[in-house]
Amino acid sequence: DVKVTQSSRYLVKRTGEKVFLECVQDMDHENMFWYRQDPGLGLRLIYFSYDVKMKEKGDIPEGYSVSREKKERFSLILESASTNQTSMYLCATSDGGGNEQYFGPGTRLTVT
Amino acid sequence: GQNIDQPTEMTATEGAIVQINCTYQTSGFNGLFWYQQHAGEAPTFLSYNVLDGLEEKGRFSSFLSRSKGYSYLLLKELQMKDSASYLCAVTKNRDDKIIFGKGTRLHILP
Repeated sequence: DVKVTQSSRYLVKRTGEKVFLECVQDMDHENMFWYRQDPGLGLRLIYFSYDVKMKEKGDIPEGYSVSREKKERFSLILESASTNQTSMYLCATSDGGGNEQYFGPGTRLTVT
Repeated sequence: GQNIDQPTEMTATEGAIVQINCTYQTSGFNGLFWYQQHAGEAPTFLSYNVLDGLEEKGRFSSFLSRSKGYSYLLLKELQMKDSASYLCAVTKNRDDKIIFGKGTRLHILP
């Protein structure tokens, strides 16, 4: 079974703080993705990575950066958290070739 | 541009059949996914259609018409645990990016 874990289920941060969300997968998948999910807006892609040290912007990269130093780990960084970044953040992985993505349990981030 | 449309909410009765429709307009198309997402949980994979036609998997079936840009998810013998959101999603050009619709929240009544 594919296992995708995220560092926290719930997180509360203050405006202006630097926030790190970590995602780890144990299936040697090439591709990793970060989404945020908001009511009425659905899942929106923030960043994705096809390989170690490679990253590409998704649909809403502003205010975020990512790091992939090892194949199994993909980090999402909020350089200076703002209240409009309060959301559910979901990490996903896939093995390429158009196959399905496997999601982690999500991190519900609240920025106050 | 790219657009995926599906109804926002649907209600059905336990034991009945429900069909959730999805239409898409995307620049490029490789295949269409359906995911299920229970409240507060991560999406889980249900089906993937690449070719036209119906794919059946137990109580769930998914249909695709590439020429019409249309898909549906059919759920039979509905159970209370089927209360969830159902996400239609499209991949383009095998590059593994998935474009998600906003999801259909399905309510099952006893």
